[in-house]
Amino acid sequence: QVRLQESGPGLVKTSGTLSLTCIVSGGSIRSNNWWSWVRQPPGKGLEWIGEIDHSGSTNYNPSLSSRVTMSVDKSKNQLSLTLTSVTAADTAVYYCARDLMGGNYLLSDYWGQGILVTVSS
Amino acid sequence: DIQMTQSPSSLSASVGDRVTITCRASQGIDRYLNWYQQKPGKAPKLLMYAASSLQSGVPSRFSGSGSGTHFTLTITSLQPEDFATYYCQQSYSSPRTFGQGTKLDIK
Repeated sequence: QVRLQESGPGLVKTSGTLSLTCIVSGGSIRSNNWWSWVRQPPGKGLEWIGEIDHSGSTNYNPSLSSRVTMSVDKSKNQLSLTLTSVTAADTAVYYCARDLMGGNYLLSDYWGQGILVTVSS
Repeated sequence: DIQMTQSPSSLSASVGDRVTITCRASQGIDRYLNWYQQKPGKAPKLLMYAASSLQSGVPSRFSGSGSGTHFTLTITSLQPEDFATYYCQQSYSSPRTFGQGTKLDIK
């Protein structure tokens, strides 16, 4: 059973940098999967932030790409997300998820429980 | 970006009812469509992928159909645990956009 656990500061100052990690257990980050980050502002819908594979190849949402960096640490079996120059609009629950190919189709089958990050001055 | 539009945005139904949620894509996405269920305070849960393939462990009262730009999620004989918010997501191209969600609550 794959488990994902997000961690990081729950409060980030406006114009600062949001940094989160996602520890993967029950499975190897070296496996042939992609790993996604998704966020959800309070009371709103889901927004796909981007994805990374075990080699460090990334795809970012163009709406965030100038501020987002994703990385993997294979020795720790964890992912990282960094978002710079944050504003109140970046306040959200942030999720990491495992992406799997079902045939030719990409899906997110395991999700972390999410972490609420509030941006405030 | 491909825009995903769900309808209705909210829906009231009773236990035992059959409900259908629609998701439309702004351009053709073949069958690259996932459905997720989300309950308050919880992470999304994958229900369906490839438009109509049921994820392991998901009850068979859930079914999906469609291809191209028009998709549906149907729940037959609603159970109390089905009252939640449902999201579609396209995996045809990056960024993998979600619909705005459909909140299903008890009538």
